Amino acid sequence: RKEVEQDPGPFNVPEGATVAFNCTYSNSASQSFFWYRQDCRKEPKLLMSVYSSGNEDGRFTAQLNRASQYISLLIRDSKLSDSATYLCVVNPTGNQFYFGTGTSLTVIP
Amino acid sequence: SQTIHQWPATLVQPVGSPLSLECTVEGTSNPNLYWYRQAAGRGLQLLFYSVGIGQISSEVPQNLSASRPQDRQFILSSKKLLLSDSGFYLCAWNRGYEKLFFGSGTQLSVL
Repeated sequence: RKEVEQDPGPFNVPEGATVAFNCTYSNSASQSFFWYRQDCRKEPKLLMSVYSSGNEDGRFTAQLNRASQYISLLIRDSKLSDSATYLCVVNPTGNQFYFGTGTSLTVIP
Repeated sequence: SQTIHQWPATLVQPVGSPLSLECTVEGTSNPNLYWYRQAAGRGLQLLFYSVGIGQISSEVPQNLSASRPQDRQFILSSKKLLLSDSGFYLCAWNRGYEKLFFGSGTQLSVL
């Protein structure tokens, strides 16, 4: 079983739409969770950390459900510039960071 | 502020040739350092990580090796490249259990 599983998409949504991505993880002892954004042929960049109580940063909301072992990312009012691949990342122990394969998002004018 | 430098950005190498990719971090001390590889259309695969000088942990068996000769320098090497070594190589650093910061990556094509 993979450490992190993510729906690869692609998600094609119109500008202004709300889109949600989910990601499941296998290690119930995992402590840290993140969402990264990766543009084509570029390095991943941190979008936001995911906290137990859920957290919001502008149009982006991240949620953690420890009981079901999944994390989610909600993007409201999608912009063209949100088009990218979104990676969920789980850190079960110390130096181990496991990445999902990424979910591709294209925002259409 | 901390910065991470990785070079070269692009590399085309023949099968059987050696490889050396270098990564350096500035603005911090005793970082954890990582090498990841991303094959086309695939997720990131952890290759090596290091928690200190000379301390290297390997995640997958392969013909690659890593070294950390200085606190903020991490090198990925191969004596003989294979076609399957092609990919996007990313160096990253962090402190403790905090989030990762990535270098700009090296696109390696083995022909």
